[in-house]
Amino acid sequence: QVQLQQSGPGLVKPSQTLSVTCAISGDSVSSNSVAWNWIRQSPSRGLEWLGRTWYRSKWYYDYAVSLKGRIDINPDTSKNQLSLLLSSVTPDDSAVYYCTREDWGRGFEWGQGTLVTVSS
Amino acid sequence: DIQMTQSPSSLSASVGDRVTITCRASQDIGNFLAWFQQKPGRAPKSLIYGASSLQSGVPSYFSGSGSGTDFTLTISSLQPEDFATYYCQQYKSSPHTFGQGTNVEI
Repeated sequence: QVQLQQSGPGLVKPSQTLSVTCAISGDSVSSNSVAWNWIRQSPSRGLEWLGRTWYRSKWYYDYAVSLKGRIDINPDTSKNQLSLLLSSVTPDDSAVYYCTREDWGRGFEWGQGTLVTVSS
Repeated sequence: DIQMTQSPSSLSASVGDRVTITCRASQDIGNFLAWFQQKPGRAPKSLIYGASSLQSGVPSYFSGSGSGTDFTLTISSLQPEDFATYYCQQYKSSPHTFGQGTNVEI
């Protein structure tokens, strides 16, 4: 059974970089049949897809246009985990951040969520 | 971006009722449609993927149908634990977009 365990600081100062990690068990981050997504949820924005990565002999990345230049998704095969980095944050980036596993043959799995507040 | 429009935005129902939620895509997404259930303070839980495939472990009284632009989530007999908010999501093309949610309340 696939499980996604998220971790990260709950408070980030404006202009700094937000970092959330998703530790994967029951699957490999470099599995060639799934994709790994980051999604966030806030009262003002609802559910918002941020980006994803997937491995098919090499790594591919796909980011929301609205975040390009600020977002980075890093797969770490040595630790079997995924990281989200979002730079130059503002209070508008405050949200619950989720990692998800997308498997076209088996559906979706979600991490438990990480609440991040951007405030000085 | 593909716009996902859910209806209704909220509904009131009773235990045992048949509930139907619809989701319309602004363009053809084939069957790249998922449904999620979310309870307050919890992460979303996957119910349906590929428009009609039941996620493992999800009760069979949940079902999904549709293709192209029009999709439906049906709860054939509403249970007390099913009072929650339901979302659709298209994953045909980036950015993957969500419906605004349907709150199912007693």
